Amino acid sequence: KAGVTQTPRYLIKTRGQQVTLSCSPISGHRSVSWYQQTPGQGLQFLFEYFSETQRNKGNFPGRFSGRQFSNSRSEMNVSTLELGDSALYLCASSFPEAYSAGGGYEQFFGPGTRLTVL
Amino acid sequence: DAKTTQPTSMDCAEGRAANLPCNHSTISGNEYVYWYRQIHSQGPQYIIHGLKNNETNEMASLIITEDRKSSTLILPHATLRDTAVYYCIVRYGNTGKLIFGQGTTLQVKP
Repeated sequence: KAGVTQTPRYLIKTRGQQVTLSCSPISGHRSVSWYQQTPGQGLQFLFEYFSETQRNKGNFPGRFSGRQFSNSRSEMNVSTLELGDSALYLCASSFPEAYSAGGGYEQFFGPGTRLTVL
Repeated sequence: DAKTTQPTSMDCAEGRAANLPCNHSTISGNEYVYWYRQIHSQGPQYIIHGLKNNETNEMASLIITEDRKSSTLILPHATLRDTAVYYCIVRYGNTGKLIFGQGTTLQVKP
């Protein structure tokens, strides 16, 4: 089975621009979560999508948004880029069939997109 | 979400067992303990998770205390490739939200 894929792997943008990152989950997985990793703040949760609906959201400004398509692929968008948005953006997919039962399940992470804002 | 506390760094000799502790004293009854690791600049890799009972898989063992306030990840025969940052996470099962702490940097030495 192919793993989680993220495109592009590297991206360079300038302040004020916007960017869209893409994540393709493992086949059959319906949940996609996004994380931002910076040296100063570590790994921080952005949001989670399940069956095209946002289920959870982290503490990030409205410039950060996302969506999920019917095939479970997900995109996240950052508008009006700031220097502090430079980070590794990671997505993770899972098949939370145990959601309703509150069961445990693992998330599988992609390799990430390295965004540099100049 | 319960907060976890881990040592900042640990060393382990190659071939020996690596025991990584984690405190999660505010864990509630329906929260799972997860362990992930991240090798430099790669995406985190799932290792193991558990609720109450000890768990073992091909990568590691997870020992959870009876009161569930702490746990230990055991890598039975550490190799140089196990050098990574190890994250202990407590998460309610019905969510995809993982709260990462600073983790433990494990250095496996020859």
